[in-house]
Amino acid sequence: DGGITQSPKYLFRKEGQNVTLSCEQNLNHDAMYWYRQDPGQGLRLIYYSQIVNDFQKGDIAEGYSVSREKKESFPLTVTSAQKNPTAFYLCAAAAADYGYTFGSGTRLTVV
Amino acid sequence: QKEVEQDPGPLSVPEGAIVSLNCTYSNSAFQYFMWYRQYSRKGPELLMYTYSSGNKEDGRFTAQVDKSSKYISLFIRDSQPSDSATYLCAMSRGGADGLTFGKGTHLIIQP
Repeated sequence: DGGITQSPKYLFRKEGQNVTLSCEQNLNHDAMYWYRQDPGQGLRLIYYSQIVNDFQKGDIAEGYSVSREKKESFPLTVTSAQKNPTAFYLCAAAAADYGYTFGSGTRLTVV
Repeated sequence: QKEVEQDPGPLSVPEGAIVSLNCTYSNSAFQYFMWYRQYSRKGPELLMYTYSSGNKEDGRFTAQVDKSSKYISLFIRDSQPSDSATYLCAMSRGGADGLTFGKGTHLIIQP
């Protein structure tokens, strides 16, 4: 089946640690996105990429970094500079202006 | 004024009722309008996708867009307990610069 695979499903981070969330797609879509979801906040855009080796900051990029070395992969690193990283992280892919397909999410918790 | 406003609910209705969910927005540049359904701890799934103003029907679901009023709606007929979820409206100006989401409405269908 075509879709978005996010891993891990649950992730725990210690203070001062960097962690990387994986996002892989087999939809052959050019554009990929990372969103953060907090209770009562809706989804907020962190980073997006329209083509390989190119990406742009979204509304809340501080404390995060991404790479897009392959069309299929768009990993997100949550750095120690992100002071409040506990949230539900969602990756999505889209072709042209059609609706976005989301992964099943990664729940990150700071311990 | 936030770009997209959506009542978070919860909205509780009896099984079989017609459900009306709504969003208002302020950015007149939005052209693409979507409704997503999100079950607890899952990624959002696309329900309806509409370009510009008008109505679109798909089974028990009808999406309406009124660009002159900057108002979009999702109607669910013959509601079922399995429709209980959070419904997110989303909109875009086009291109690949990401969606802007409402905060979501938590819907409960009582058996």
